[in-house]
Amino acid sequence: EDQVTQSPEALRLQEGESSSLNCSYTVSGLRGLFWYRQDPGKGPEFLFTLYSAGEEKEKERLKATLTKKESFLHITAPKPEDSATYLCAVSLNSGGSNYKLTFGKGTLLTVNP
Amino acid sequence: EAQVTQNPRYLITVTGKKLTVTCSQNMNHEYMSWYRQDPGLGLRQIYYSMNVEVTDKGDVPEGYKVSRKEKRNFPLILESPSPNQTSLYFCASSLREGRRNTQYFGPGTRLTVL
Repeated sequence: EDQVTQSPEALRLQEGESSSLNCSYTVSGLRGLFWYRQDPGKGPEFLFTLYSAGEEKEKERLKATLTKKESFLHITAPKPEDSATYLCAVSLNSGGSNYKLTFGKGTLLTVNP
Repeated sequence: EAQVTQNPRYLITVTGKKLTVTCSQNMNHEYMSWYRQDPGLGLRQIYYSMNVEVTDKGDVPEGYKVSRKEKRNFPLILESPSPNQTSLYFCASSLREGRRNTQYFGPGTRLTVL
């Protein structure tokens, strides 16, 4: 069964304390890996898409990387406004031409001032 | 502004009372999808649509119906809601089907079925 696992479930950092979130996947035929940010009570907000091992994307304090089995979301010198749940999703061909997003359960990041 | 909108944002109803949650996008996207989000289970796909009049089941379609009569709209219908359908629902859209098309999400509809 295709699975997406995110770790840790929750992470508490001090402002400026860099760290990484992990997304590991056991899927056959990965078509793409997506990172989203979700604030409480809101819809997921797109951050990055990665398609092949070795690919990296950056946006402000965030950097996403991809290997054949996992992806990391590196957060450099985080600020309190980076506090959110970060979701990882993989795009799979679920039959026909539907590329379904399968989500991990997310990492709740809290950045204290 | 490019966006996906959902209505209502909050709804409390009773078991068996039919309801519809609307979803609309103004980006001329072909692909639209519904997800539900539950604590400990994450986001799961309910139904998706690859274009007008083309819909299919996702992972958890039981108890739901959809229709796609217009490109911009993709309503979610609960014919006879039950308490296990209490959840946070998201509509998403992307330009077209395929792995390179990012899905953009609406703000969510929090549904409580008593």
